[in-house]
Amino acid sequence: ETGVTQTPRHLVMGMTNKKSLKCEQHLGHNAMYWYKQSAKKPLELMFVYSLEERVENNSVPSRFSPECPNSSHLFLHLHTLQPEDSALYLCASSQVRGGKNIQYFGAGTRLSVL
Amino acid sequence: ILNVEQSPQSLHVQEGDSTNFTCSFPSSNFYALHWYRWETAKSPEALFVMTLNGDEKKKGRISATLNTKEGYSYLYIKGSQPEDSATYLCASGRTGANNLFFGTGTRLTVIP
Repeated sequence: ETGVTQTPRHLVMGMTNKKSLKCEQHLGHNAMYWYKQSAKKPLELMFVYSLEERVENNSVPSRFSPECPNSSHLFLHLHTLQPEDSALYLCASSQVRGGKNIQYFGAGTRLSVL
Repeated sequence: ILNVEQSPQSLHVQEGDSTNFTCSFPSSNFYALHWYRWETAKSPEALFVMTLNGDEKKKGRISATLNTKEGYSYLYIKGSQPEDSATYLCASGRTGANNLFFGTGTRLTVIP
């Protein structure tokens, strides 16, 4: 148990669906992250919420929309996804400024887009 | 984008063998180098964080070294055990940025 919980663990959706991924951290960290893991590629950072500021990877399509209502919760809203968006989506949290920025990961959501 | 490279991509060793793999990263604006172990169906877990040139860290049979001037880190596993089978990720952080840049990982399989 890493203290970071992701739901659901598996998700199958059609290209016209709208769904959301949820992440919750119980570690008192001040930063949360969404990563995408595609086969044989490095973990790709999608979004960072750090000290209430959002930083995003400009290459992430607008069909992915993050939301961070507070420092413990993070969502990734999905709409009109494409089959190439099928991947493992990992959430992480860390303590920036005063910590070593060690990332604590959830178990991930395995997403399949049909 | 920071280009972090790991080699080899995958590795099979016999139980009891010692092994090592490499992470290379740009040395400019370097802040920290992280190693994570990622077992199948689990979350990646932090092994080490190193910041200073010449740093060496050890946890049981696993150790790591850091050379920030030439931009590489080695991870060593002594006397590999089947439970060491996992993907080992390295990630580099740079000054002024909160996020880490990950390599593609080295997938280690220890054969009993």
